[in-house]
Amino acid sequence: DAMVIQNPRYQVTQFGKPVTLSCSQTLNHNVMYWYQQKSSQAPKLLFHYYDKDFNNEADTPDNFQSRRPNTSFCFLDIRSPGLGDAAMYLCATSRGQGGTGPQHFGDGTRLSIL
Amino acid sequence: GNSVTQMEGPVTLSEEAFLTINCTYTATGYPSLFWYVQYPGEGLQLLLKATKADDKGSNKGFEATYRKETTSFHLEKGSVQVSDSAVYFCALSDHNNAGNMLTFGGGTRLMVKP
Repeated sequence: DAMVIQNPRYQVTQFGKPVTLSCSQTLNHNVMYWYQQKSSQAPKLLFHYYDKDFNNEADTPDNFQSRRPNTSFCFLDIRSPGLGDAAMYLCATSRGQGGTGPQHFGDGTRLSIL
Repeated sequence: GNSVTQMEGPVTLSEEAFLTINCTYTATGYPSLFWYVQYPGEGLQLLLKATKADDKGSNKGFEATYRKETTSFHLEKGSVQVSDSAVYFCALSDHNNAGNMLTFGGGTRLMVKP
């Protein structure tokens, strides 16, 4: 089945130690998104790629970076994680035509900071 | 700007009870509307959607009707099960945006007791 896959499901890192989360998709969607979600609150959009075009939300900390080397893969890099960055990180994809289609989510990576 | 307001939880019901979770929205364009469900420790799953006024989305016994006159998209189920316990998010996607950007409500936690 076509899907969005996030690895790993659980990630533990140390305070200040860089960490990378990965996302892959078999849906061949143009758009990939990264969200941060805390304590079953609504997901907060960090940034998204429309094909190769990167779009950063205005309030996304500089500590968060992203790479999309090809259509299928997208990475979230946290350069110096702080305790406040402990959260669930969700990847999602969608087609690029405009608002009729839903976003398809992966199962998320839960990040813990020691 | 766009916004989504849904009833605060938690909503606690007994098995086989009737469920309503209210959702209202404001949007500048002609949005598509979605309900997503998040089970514990998992990502968001699309539950149902509606793309235009008077459309009814349905899935797994859940229903919601796109009401333009009341700007609402209330989620209903006639008989809930323990397995329906989850967090439910109402969301809209504005047709004017490229990339199907979602605006989420705050989420409603549903707890169903045997």
